[in-house]
Amino acid sequence: QQQVKQSPQSLIVQKGGISIINCAYENTAFDYFPWYQQFPGKGPALLIAIRPDVSEKKEGRFTISFNKSAKQFSLHIMDSQPGDSATYFCAASKTGANNLFFGTGTRLTVIP
Amino acid sequence: GAGVSQTPSNKVTEKGKYVELRCDPISGHTALYWYRQSLGQGPEFLIYFQGTGAADDSGLPNDRFFAVRPEGSVSTLKIQRTERGDSAVYLCASSRHSANTGELFFGEGSRLTVL
Repeated sequence: QQQVKQSPQSLIVQKGGISIINCAYENTAFDYFPWYQQFPGKGPALLIAIRPDVSEKKEGRFTISFNKSAKQFSLHIMDSQPGDSATYFCAASKTGANNLFFGTGTRLTVIP
Repeated sequence: GAGVSQTPSNKVTEKGKYVELRCDPISGHTALYWYRQSLGQGPEFLIYFQGTGAADDSGLPNDRFFAVRPEGSVSTLKIQRTERGDSAVYLCASSRHSANTGELFFGEGSRLTVL
């Protein structure tokens, strides 16, 4: 059973546009929601993370929006650049856990 | 090096053979994780070490898989009697804290192909 459901599977955006990737979860015990970025042949790298005590977190062009009641969170990439082309994974974990549950990934392509 | 180092980067083996994959974590990171990433999927948890001990091995798919970290630093993932379904990228990650409280630093992975 997929603990975190991610969509879309792939996304094509024009340079300068906004990229939006969505995730949903069922386990209300989850209290840590990171996003990881993965380039081909590389391991995932932490991009940005949020905890449920806030509804939004922004770091540069990257923003996480969090809706606790809907059990959904999303990644927004403003002014998308070709260098942002990568696979993005949302993830979730809970206090005391040793494991991150990852979504299935979104392959983002930013067209120049 | 400054990052998590994994060797080999690629391993091709035949069905039924034994394989060892090595992970050298970031110095000072007591937490070490193994994940498996199949094509087109997100990483799936296999095992977590805190220091030398396997604190959580609930993700290991069966008893053909085993991992050790004898001195609390380098870890080895061992797969016996490999099967074609074991083909995947095996990722190692390390962190200062648990997965819930801090960043996981991933290596580039070991791509295992079982023929």
